[in-house]
Amino acid sequence: AIRVTQSPSSLSASTGDRVTITCRASQDVVSYVAWYQQKPGKAPELLISGASTLQNGVPSRFSGRGSGTDFTLTITYLQSEDFGFYFCQQYSGFPPTFGQGTKLEIK
Amino acid sequence: QAQLQESGPGLVKPSETLSLTCTVSGGSMTDYYWSWIRQPPGKGLEWIGFIHSNGNTNYYPSLKGRVTISRDTSMNQFSLRMTSVSAADTAVYYCARHWKDAYGGLIYGFDIWGRGTTVTVSS
Repeated sequence: AIRVTQSPSSLSASTGDRVTITCRASQDVVSYVAWYQQKPGKAPELLISGASTLQNGVPSRFSGRGSGTDFTLTITYLQSEDFGFYFCQQYSGFPPTFGQGTKLEIK
Repeated sequence: QAQLQESGPGLVKPSETLSLTCTVSGGSMTDYYWSWIRQPPGKGLEWIGFIHSNGNTNYYPSLKGRVTISRDTSMNQFSLRMTSVSAADTAVYYCARHWKDAYGGLIYGFDIWGRGTTVTVSS
């Protein structure tokens, strides 16, 4: 299975900051990477598919980049509602695999 | 927009069978793929398997033989059955819908998730 290594595992930042989360795949996954946000007690929400395609309704301060093995999720001008758990997923190879996740805390 | 809700026992004894159901509301199961995904405590998410509305299934290779996913499209539900459970199967279990590509083909990406249900395997 393709391993997906996500970093950092936790992150504390202030509103207005720019934060970046990274995922690295153990082999080429082209652009078949999705990013999700999960808040406590809530269902995960799909933010980005195809490494960079923002889903409808997702604020434009979220952006995704990358191809091949290295991918990033960036949140510019962090808002208080952006706290939560973020995880990436590759869907190029079988089975689909996930990063370990990043807990984003707002200072 | 469809919503998913997992249900089932929160505690299962070792060697017994875990059974969970996912109810789809606000949408139809037809022509979609539906998956079960789990997250053991302190670990990353692990895909378990999928079922299509037509009944086709596929499972994570290491779980094949212990896992069965079935569906009842008339009830808008699909279910997970996992036999011979052990403490390693303790996890939060999620159901999720695969998004469709332009041709209706299988994409292992998930656009709608349930909130998850915690299952503990313990005597």
